[in-house]
Amino acid sequence: DIQMTQSPSSLSASVGDRVTITCRASQNINIYLNWYQQKPGKAPKLLIYAVSSLQSGVPSRFSGSGSGTDFTLTISSLQPEDSASYYCQQSYTIPYTFGQGTKLEI
Amino acid sequence: EVQLVQSGAEVREPGESLKISCKGSGYSFTSYWIGWVRQMPGKGLEWMGIIHPRDSHTTYSPSFEGQVTISADKSVSTAYLQWSSLEASDSAMYYCARRNGGTDDYWGQGTLVTVSS
Repeated sequence: DIQMTQSPSSLSASVGDRVTITCRASQNINIYLNWYQQKPGKAPKLLIYAVSSLQSGVPSRFSGSGSGTDFTLTISSLQPEDSASYYCQQSYTIPYTFGQGTKLEI
Repeated sequence: EVQLVQSGAEVREPGESLKISCKGSGYSFTSYWIGWVRQMPGKGLEWMGIIHPRDSHTTYSPSFEGQVTISADKSVSTAYLQWSSLEASDSAMYYCARRNGGTDDYWGQGTLVTVSS
């Protein structure tokens, strides 16, 4: 299985801050990297697919970058509603493994 | 509107069997894979397996192979996840999700399974 490692596991930031979450794959996954947001008691929601493509309806303050094994999710100006857990997922090969998650507190 | 609606919360005793469901609507159910994801209490997301409802072709994560069975009935646009003999460690939230290209773009609301004596 491809291992996905996120950092940090948790972070606390303020409204208006710029935040970056990183995700590292144990092998080259090309551009097959997605990001999901999960709020407490809710199902995950697709934010970004194929490294940097924004899912319809997702605010433009979210962006993604990277290739190969190293990827980042950036929130340019934190809003209170961004408080959630964030997961990366590789879609290069089955099983489509997730990172362990990053809990973001505002 | 695309929707995946999952069956309600379940409480079972160890050793019992269980089948939970995920009904798709608002799209062509036989055109997309459906996957299942486990989330144990307070933990992250674990990808379990995937099925194509058109022909029921199924692939499992090695971690879940032999532990669960994924199936689908295209006549009622429903995918299923089942256990033949539950263990306490199966207690978790289970999500289904539609696979669209390389993404899980629509998710069910989740089914909470509690296994306790």
